[in-house]
Amino acid sequence: GQQLNQSPQSMFIQEGEDVSMNCTSSSIFNTWLWYKQDPGEGPVLLIALYKAGELTSNGRLTAQFGITRKDSFLNISASIPSDVGIYFCAGQLNTDKLIFGTGTRLQVFP
Amino acid sequence: DTEVTQTPKHLVMGMTNKKSLKCEQHMGHRAMYWYKQKAKKPPELMFVYSYEKLSINESVPSRFSPECPNSSLLNLHLHALQPEDSALYLCASRYRGGPFGYGYTFGSGTRLTVV
Repeated sequence: GQQLNQSPQSMFIQEGEDVSMNCTSSSIFNTWLWYKQDPGEGPVLLIALYKAGELTSNGRLTAQFGITRKDSFLNISASIPSDVGIYFCAGQLNTDKLIFGTGTRLQVFP
Repeated sequence: DTEVTQTPKHLVMGMTNKKSLKCEQHMGHRAMYWYKQKAKKPPELMFVYSYEKLSINESVPSRFSPECPNSSLLNLHLHALQPEDSALYLCASRYRGGPFGYGYTFGSGTRLTVV
């Protein structure tokens, strides 16, 4: 199936550090969403982006919708242990189709 | 009620069994989705129902049969599955996130094991 390129694949950081991850595609999207997934659970929405150039924050999380509409990034500031998990970007191609990035696995050490 | 509820949470079935996965939401969302997720991989789209009509089938084998009896309920009927079909099956519903786009709420999934 179709996937978005997400990097890095995994990150091992110390508590308190900032984190940055991004998603790129050859296709243009009209929506970018960022999700976090814990083991054995469904993805939980963190941030939704609907306009090119849009910069949105949710607490320590900040995400941007790239101006070309083909990319997006997510930043997490001052990481804490509960930030551990897998982060997925997701892009909406058309009204019905939402596809996911390959995921970034985040590990935070105290 | 702001949840997508999936049952059962875990399911073990033999290759000759027939079983069904159930997904329910009472948020008035009119599009519902089935995704399949293998370990350490992203969710892969299987089916989309929009206003109770099948709008996307991502070339899924016929041993998976979706059904949308009403706007709140989505089923996935399983028959003659293979061990490689073992995965986490996720249901999602779509809502209007604002004037410009949509958001998606996911259930916790059904962990399916085919033996």
